[in-house]
Amino acid sequence: GAVVSQHPSWVICKSGTSVKIECRSLDFQATTMFWYRQFPKQSLMLMATSNEGSKATYEQGVEKDKFLINHASLTLSTLTVTSAHPEDSSFYICSAPDGVGYTFGSGTRLTVV
Amino acid sequence: QKEVEQNSGPLSVPEGAIASLNCTYSDRGSQSFFWYRQYSGKSPELIMFIYSNGDKEDGRFTAQLNKASQYVSLLIRDSQPSDSATYLCAALMYSGGGADGLTFGKGTHLIIQP
Repeated sequence: GAVVSQHPSWVICKSGTSVKIECRSLDFQATTMFWYRQFPKQSLMLMATSNEGSKATYEQGVEKDKFLINHASLTLSTLTVTSAHPEDSSFYICSAPDGVGYTFGSGTRLTVV
Repeated sequence: QKEVEQNSGPLSVPEGAIASLNCTYSDRGSQSFFWYRQYSGKSPELIMFIYSNGDKEDGRFTAQLNKASQYVSLLIRDSQPSDSATYLCAALMYSGGGADGLTFGKGTHLIIQP
């Protein structure tokens, strides 16, 4: 089946630094990649939608200058959390339509200290 | 605004019994519905999806959709302790420009008691 590889699985960074999260579709082309964020005991909240070769679209309330998304190829989308702060600590998950449903990456646990 | 509502639980069910999970959605434009299982700290795993009114069965799982009532449910027969997890209901609406992201409910925490 379709697989989305997400790295890193966890990361700890200092406040003010940037963190890049990568999602790669391994056996299919992901024209679109959705980025979600999940706080403890909360649901997945869609942050942004990236489309290969075009600018990402962000959900209301999500700062596009803080959460930089790049989708330069059909198999790679990246999310960079810039100038991270403790309130950005969360579980970040990518997801791509796979022709049947949606395939999720394994998630990245970000802790900002 | 698109919303998907679920009872957060916990829902406790004895092993071997039927677990019934419910979900309602606010947007009548929603076309497909998904049930995901999520273990703590892990990514969601797709259980099944449904887009037609009625029932859809897959092994021990049955999804039910009632578009008139804007209601989706998931039945788990012969519940096993390994079914203990949070179950997420998600709705999808196609905007015409391509697939939208899924709108998730907060999830129902299911506990299967041995």
